[in-house]
Amino acid sequence: KNQVEQSPQSLIILEGKNCTLQCNYTVSPFSNLRWYKQDTGRGPVSLTIMTFSENTKSNGRYTATLDADTKQSSLHITASQLSDSASYICVVKAGATNKLIFGTGTLLAVQP
Amino acid sequence: DAGVIQSPRHEVTEMGQEVTLRCKPISGHDYLFWYRQTMMRGLELLIYFNNNVPIDDSGMPEDRFSAKMPNASFSTLKIQPSEPRDSAVYFCASTPSGGARNEQFFGPGTRLTVL
Repeated sequence: KNQVEQSPQSLIILEGKNCTLQCNYTVSPFSNLRWYKQDTGRGPVSLTIMTFSENTKSNGRYTATLDADTKQSSLHITASQLSDSASYICVVKAGATNKLIFGTGTLLAVQP
Repeated sequence: DAGVIQSPRHEVTEMGQEVTLRCKPISGHDYLFWYRQTMMRGLELLIYFNNNVPIDDSGMPEDRFSAKMPNASFSTLKIQPSEPRDSAVYFCASTPSGGARNEQFFGPGTRLTVL
């Protein structure tokens, strides 16, 4: 069964600190992996998209990594800001379809 | 561009009533998706359309749910009759055709509460 699992479920960090969110997937065939940020009360917004051949992708203070062999991805947030408080969702696209398989997300709270 | 537009933003209804959620995709996008988000299950794909034609409705939970896309700029998701377990946030998303990397752009969602 195609699944995407994320850890931790929730995380609290102090402003200015770094953090890393994890994603493991069992999706076949793999097409690409995306990280979305979802602010409270809003729809998800894409941060990065990585295909099989890409193992690192950055978007400002966000850096995503992908290990297609171990089927793991991480999202590293550098020098966190209060505005980083949100849910971060790992999403895998399966094969040639347009179906996305979503993880349940990591809820990040950045405190002053 | 205004992005994906959904209405209403909030809907409170009583069990047994019909609910209609509306979506206007981004102009020029060929694909439209309906998702449901709950705390327990996260985001789940309900159905998606390509050029107004339903392609995969395997995520539609049961016959009480139906979706239509009469033209390229409008889609509806209808629940009849509604039940308390349908309470969730329903998102519409659209994407242009061509290429596996195409990003899905999400609307703001409709928060549905069925009493």
